[in-house]
Amino acid sequence: EVQLVESGGGLVKPGGSLRVSCVASGFTFSYYNMNWVRQAPGKGLEWVSSISGSSNYIYYADSVKGRFTISRDNAQNSLYLQMNSLRGEDSAVYYCARDGDSKVIPEGTFDMWGQGTMVTVSS
Amino acid sequence: DIQMTQSPSSLSASVGDRVSITCRASQTISRYLNWYQQKPGKAPKLLIYAASSLQSGVPSRFSGSGSGTDFTLTISSLQPEDFATYYCQQSFSAPRTFGHGTKVEIK
Repeated sequence: EVQLVESGGGLVKPGGSLRVSCVASGFTFSYYNMNWVRQAPGKGLEWVSSISGSSNYIYYADSVKGRFTISRDNAQNSLYLQMNSLRGEDSAVYYCARDGDSKVIPEGTFDMWGQGTMVTVSS
Repeated sequence: DIQMTQSPSSLSASVGDRVSITCRASQTISRYLNWYQQKPGKAPKLLIYAASSLQSGVPSRFSGSGSGTDFTLTISSLQPEDFATYYCQQSFSAPRTFGHGTKVEIK
């Protein structure tokens, strides 16, 4: 089955750190760019970060630049987001999302999503 | 960054109604516009990519149109399972930005 499964969310204090993970199955993980997209409670969607298949190209939203680090392990079909210096406004469901393959679905189009993992930043 | 403005922010409609949602980009994005559907407690689902291409498995009552800065998602005959929030998103340039969403509710 083609799927993405996130884990690692939880409650963390302001200023703390957390790493969330996403495991992919059912497709050639290394072929695809991958993304993290978040959604604060009751709010809309916000793209957070993306990484190319070979990890050569990495991008971040201004709101997390310098605090979050995206990485991947293609041998383990896994995507990670290391979050440091967490703030209350980082509280959200974090989704991993697969990028389009650029042959049929353009890059920057999120054609597959995980179920999300909740991160709560609170004292 | 490219700003995406959706309207309306919410609407009430009945089963069988034709529904249209619009999305406007703050600068031209050619046809690099996608539409997603999200139901409560669930992940978003890609409906339409490249402004008008239907994602595999999505019912044909969904359609998309537009280019440049103005785009429309149309549901030709609203079904009970279509009550959800819909988001547009531009894939023209980084950072990828979303509209604020349109909630489609039952009248």
